[in-house]
Amino acid sequence: KNEVEQSPQNLTAQEGEFITINCSYSVGISALHWLQQHPGGGIVSLFMLSSGKKKHGRLIATINIQEKHSSLHITASHPRDSAVYICAVRGGTDKLIFGTGTRLQVFP
Amino acid sequence: DTAVSQTPKYLVTQMGNDKSIKCEQNLGHDTMYWYKQDSKKFLKIMFSYNNKELIINETVPNRFSPKSPDKAHLNLHINSLELGDSAVYFCASSQRGSGGEQFFGPGTRLTVL
Repeated sequence: KNEVEQSPQNLTAQEGEFITINCSYSVGISALHWLQQHPGGGIVSLFMLSSGKKKHGRLIATINIQEKHSSLHITASHPRDSAVYICAVRGGTDKLIFGTGTRLQVFP
Repeated sequence: DTAVSQTPKYLVTQMGNDKSIKCEQNLGHDTMYWYKQDSKKFLKIMFSYNNKELIINETVPNRFSPKSPDKAHLNLHINSLELGDSAVYFCASSQRGSGGEQFFGPGTRLTVL
């Protein structure tokens, strides 16, 4: 079993829908990262959080340390949001442990 | 003005060859990383250097040898390439103590024939 589990693995949505991607982890962490990987392959850091909630534009990330769970929400989804979203947790040595990713496709 | 750059972007080579991938960051970060992304798109840490010192060395065959000539550069040399080494290799950097957000390079797609 992976130390970082994401669900769902694949997600399709219609433009405008509200999207939630979940991440659960089983190890102690100092921070949790949400990353986005576009079809072209590049990886971009979306959020890094260790408690509470962060918002950037239409993206919201939350974390519950007690439950070892984080969610990434996308409001008013758009086809340009189509990408793979990766959850990663950081332990004490700055080492990132990655989830297997969630492939999101948003159709017009 | 690229923050983290890697060369080459694509590398196609024969089994048994030796090859290098270079990474440079101009963010002034003190920590650099190499990650491998396999065919199922799963990312895994390989190495990390902080101020030119190796701090993370995962279970990686010793055919892989990282080299950090200075804080801004972390190169990856691979000896005796095997078919299973085919993957996308990502370099990243971060600043310790600043929260640890990592900035990724564009990746190098290595294909071993």
